[in-house]
Amino acid sequence: SQQGEEDPQALSIQEGENATMNCSYKTSINNLQWYRQNSGRGLVHLILIRSNEREKHSGRLRVTLDTSKKSSSLLITASRAADTASYFCATDGGSGYSTLTFGKGTMLLVSP
Amino acid sequence: GAGVSQSPSNKVTEKGKDVELRCDPISGHTALYWYRQSLGQGLEFLIYFQGNSAPDKSGLPSDRFSAERTGGSVSTLTIQRTQQEDSAVYLCASSSVWGGELFFGEGSRLTVL
Repeated sequence: SQQGEEDPQALSIQEGENATMNCSYKTSINNLQWYRQNSGRGLVHLILIRSNEREKHSGRLRVTLDTSKKSSSLLITASRAADTASYFCATDGGSGYSTLTFGKGTMLLVSP
Repeated sequence: GAGVSQSPSNKVTEKGKDVELRCDPISGHTALYWYRQSLGQGLEFLIYFQGNSAPDKSGLPSDRFSAERTGGSVSTLTIQRTQQEDSAVYLCASSSVWGGELFFGEGSRLTVL
């Protein structure tokens, strides 16, 4: 079963706008990761946030983590057409759990 | 090469045939994952290798699926007696540490007719 669930399933915005995607998960985690997938390609790692962190930045990306609500958000600021892709969160299931489980993803479309 | 390499990139087979998908991880990466992605869906975990430990096979959907990793490096995912529902993109990823960043290959697209 899926550990993480992204919301919304699809998001359509204009260039320059901000895009926010959310991820909810079910069990405790050690860290949460966000990945990006261009159509027909493999996934590319964007950012990792540990369970003891609340916010992390990388360029135009901002990730927050609320372990009490078991949720995370990914904010892309000043979006570009090249940001069009699917975005996935992935969680490790907590202590002693080896696999990284992915959600179904949010498909982001940024129009010029 | 510098990245994770998967082959073949595309495979079309007939129902009932066996297929082998290969993954060559980044050199030195001890963790190797196989995932399956159906059209428009998320990633479904299949199997995980970590160093010399016994693999986590909990995600394999049936006994028609098996995987091995030789010498802690190259991995082969084998699907026996393929069915149409096996059609998907099979993604391999490797990592240098457990719980760390995964590096994905471009995937092997399997089509079962």
